[in-house]
Amino acid sequence: GQNIDQPTEMTATEGAIVQINCTYQTSGFNGLFWYQQHAGEAPTFLSYNVLDGLEEKGRFSSFLSRSKGYSYLLLKELQMKDSASYLCAYMDSNYQLIWGAGTKLIIKP
Amino acid sequence: IAGITQAPTSQILAAGRRMTLRCTQDMRHNAMYWYRQDLGLGLRLIHYSNTAGTTGKGEVPDGYSVSRANTDDFPLTLASAVPSQTSVYFCASSADRETDTQYFGPGTRLTVL
Repeated sequence: GQNIDQPTEMTATEGAIVQINCTYQTSGFNGLFWYQQHAGEAPTFLSYNVLDGLEEKGRFSSFLSRSKGYSYLLLKELQMKDSASYLCAYMDSNYQLIWGAGTKLIIKP
Repeated sequence: IAGITQAPTSQILAAGRRMTLRCTQDMRHNAMYWYRQDLGLGLRLIHYSNTAGTTGKGEVPDGYSVSRANTDDFPLTLASAVPSQTSVYFCASSADRETDTQYFGPGTRLTVL
């Protein structure tokens, strides 16, 4: 089936750390993606995990646990420009991306 | 600058009219995709193409058709638009469908009245 969940909205403070969780249920799995989407713009690629563990890329890190059907995106040293929606998507057994509805992250000064 | 372009940027269309959304990429990617994005829902795949000359149906193909005559272009046609097709449409491409990151065009905002 196609079942993927992430929080609708989160609020954090500039300079802080925030973790956005994503859970999924699928019988076939070929990796998990995180994208960033600013309002009115296209999604842009942030990270890809296919093996368990943490992938670090500058201020952003992404974690995957395949056995738990769980991923998170960790954003450190938050900046106002990080205010955006963060989209989680897994690739199913047919190589189709199944997308969550996105988490709107609001950064406050 | 390499990337994906879409046209038009936005369009208001009367119900029942035919409309083609254009998508062109210059990255020589094999795979291309059309998604729609609606408030409160994740991106949903309409149609895809693994390579020039082939197309496939996604999650929500009804009311839409595509063609892939060459590597660069992947137009999406609404034969007879209905209000439920009001959405933001994104075209995307990837080097291949099975392993590569998808890169998105800027989107077309379509309103069907």
